[in-house]
Amino acid sequence: NAGVTQTPKFQVLKTGQSMTLQCAQDMNHEYMSWYRQDPGMGLRLIHYSVGAGITDQGEVPNGYNVSRSTTEDFPLRLLSAAPSQTSVYFCASSYGGREGSPLHFGNGTRLTVT
Amino acid sequence: KNQVEQSPQSLIILEGKNCTLQCNYTVSPFSNLRWYKQDTGRGPVSLTIMTFSENTKSNGRYTATLDADTKQSSLHITASQLSDSASYICVVSAAGGSYIPTFGRGTSLIVHP
Repeated sequence: NAGVTQTPKFQVLKTGQSMTLQCAQDMNHEYMSWYRQDPGMGLRLIHYSVGAGITDQGEVPNGYNVSRSTTEDFPLRLLSAAPSQTSVYFCASSYGGREGSPLHFGNGTRLTVT
Repeated sequence: KNQVEQSPQSLIILEGKNCTLQCNYTVSPFSNLRWYKQDTGRGPVSLTIMTFSENTKSNGRYTATLDADTKQSSLHITASQLSDSASYICVVSAAGGSYIPTFGRGTSLIVHP
């Protein structure tokens, strides 16, 4: 099992550009989520999904879109990148997603917006 | 508002020494508390989970404790190794079917030879 795979590992964007961060898992997990990690801030939830076709907002959803067409994939889209979106982004999945299920994280995408 | 506070923010110890990391939370109603280890450049990995009825749980050289009355948890690392250098994150989940756990900001541990 590869677990949770994120691509790309690094990305540099100019303000106003759009891009999609990819996330795929091969554990047949129902729950998938996106976090951003900033220095001194800890991990903050952007969006999450409890199954194919179902998504919901987390704590910091503004500027980001998601969709979940398959169980395996959960891409995160930045529609118009801003310098405030410079961060490290982590995708995570778990069985069920509720309390008691450990989150399995990818190794992150480091995004810089200039 | 649910909150998780970790201390210290950072810690430097010598290889072979013990250390204890603290986590205080105000998440209610409480379901469980997890400790994650995050190596530099990697995603967090779950070390252990503590539920309401558990006071102590060990995973090798890592021992977690939970005091549900005072809403405090600690992670004790025994005989530290260089590979223990990482960020340790406390995550608390609320009962009632929430999909949004509350994350602490982590403790950065550096183990020097």
